[in-house]
Amino acid sequence: GAVVSQHPSRVICKSGTSVKIECRSLDFQATTMFWYRQFPKQSLMLMATSNEGSKATYEQGVEKDKFLINHASLTLSTLTVTSAHPEDSSFYICSARARTGTNTEAFFGQGTRLTVV
Amino acid sequence: AQSVTQLDSQVPVFEEAPVELRCNYSSSVSVYLFWYVQYPNQGLQLLLKYLSGSTLVESINGFEAEFNKSQTSFHLRKPSVHISDTAEYFCAVNRYHYGGATNKLIFGTGTLLAVQP
Repeated sequence: GAVVSQHPSRVICKSGTSVKIECRSLDFQATTMFWYRQFPKQSLMLMATSNEGSKATYEQGVEKDKFLINHASLTLSTLTVTSAHPEDSSFYICSARARTGTNTEAFFGQGTRLTVV
Repeated sequence: AQSVTQLDSQVPVFEEAPVELRCNYSSSVSVYLFWYVQYPNQGLQLLLKYLSGSTLVESINGFEAEFNKSQTSFHLRKPSVHISDTAEYFCAVNRYHYGGATNKLIFGTGTLLAVQP
């Protein structure tokens, strides 16, 4: 199956700093990428959807100035958590949908455990 | 709007016993249905999906799920579980849209399958 690589897998940062998370589709072109946040023992909450070359669409309640998403190419999307605070600590997961046809499957990255201290 | 309900947050079961993880959805339009598995500190992996055709779908590791439109259910079953099946299982729905699926995967809250020796 298609591979989505997410980096880093774990990151610890100081409060007030910014953290960038990368999501790459390794063997396919992803026109659409999704960013999710998962709290402990809870489901995945969609944060935003990004299409290559255009601005991301954020879900209600997600601060777009805090969670900056860039989807500059068909194989790379980045999520930057700006001025991180302890409440931003969470598990962030990206997924990517292939470009062709009526593909309905989204492939997921391994996730990034962010801890803000 | 679509929603997914997984009533069981945790299902303990002994090894080699059968198991059923329940999933119900609500939608006024046609949907695609998915089961994903998440191992600790990892991203999601697609286990199986229903798009159309046969209402019984199977995965390569012995799981199966049956789409029941009248009961709006997509329960996941396995006749004999292994210790290695211990993981979080998420049911998800994606609304059908002409030419493919919409962008949003709506996830249930997940069910922890805990297989005991």
